[in-house]
Amino acid sequence: NAGVTQTPKFQVLKTGQSMTLQCAQDMNHEYMSWYRQDPGMGLRLIHYSVGAGITDQGEVPNGYNVSRSTTEDFPLRLLSAAPSQTSVYFCASSYSGTIYFGEGSWLTVV
Amino acid sequence: GNSVTQMEGPVTLSEEAFLTINCTYTATGYPSLFWYVQYPGEGLQLLLKATKADDKGSNKGFEATYRKETTSFHLEKGSVQVSDSAVYFCAIIIQGAQKLVFGQGTRLTINP
Repeated sequence: NAGVTQTPKFQVLKTGQSMTLQCAQDMNHEYMSWYRQDPGMGLRLIHYSVGAGITDQGEVPNGYNVSRSTTEDFPLRLLSAAPSQTSVYFCASSYSGTIYFGEGSWLTVV
Repeated sequence: GNSVTQMEGPVTLSEEAFLTINCTYTATGYPSLFWYVQYPGEGLQLLLKATKADDKGSNKGFEATYRKETTSFHLEKGSVQVSDSAVYFCAIIIQGAQKLVFGQGTRLTINP
């Protein structure tokens, strides 16, 4: 039972590069979301999706795009990486109020 | 709006000490309450939860009681171990929604 799978686990980017963080879940959950974790700030919601074809912005969406073409996958795209996007990123899926997190992706933008 | 305030860290204790990490919340609706734990280099794991007033969540010796009158969900453990060293996050979900609102996290270090 894989649960929520994120890749890559570690990534270093140069300023201005683009990349995609992948997220997949095998629990058939409709709701998926992306958070970023920064020291002293807890986790903040970037984008979320309530089902295939539907996405919406969270608390800190600027600089990120998402799409949800299938129930299983919810990739997060960084359009033009900036040092302020250095963070740990968590994908999550949920059902009936219980949230399941991926193991995290550590991203450094230099 | 909805928000969560946690006891500021870092917290350092000796092994077998009693632990309390305070958490209070404000919510526009009736929330479910959660504690998540993040061990070094790992993701978030659900530690315990409570979905209605006076419910007590418990796991791995940790407990927290949903106190609606004080809007609190304090985490307690009677005798901590070195392996409990981690960052602890309090979080809420408003009923009918699926988005967690997190506190800022409390880093706990247990010394042998």
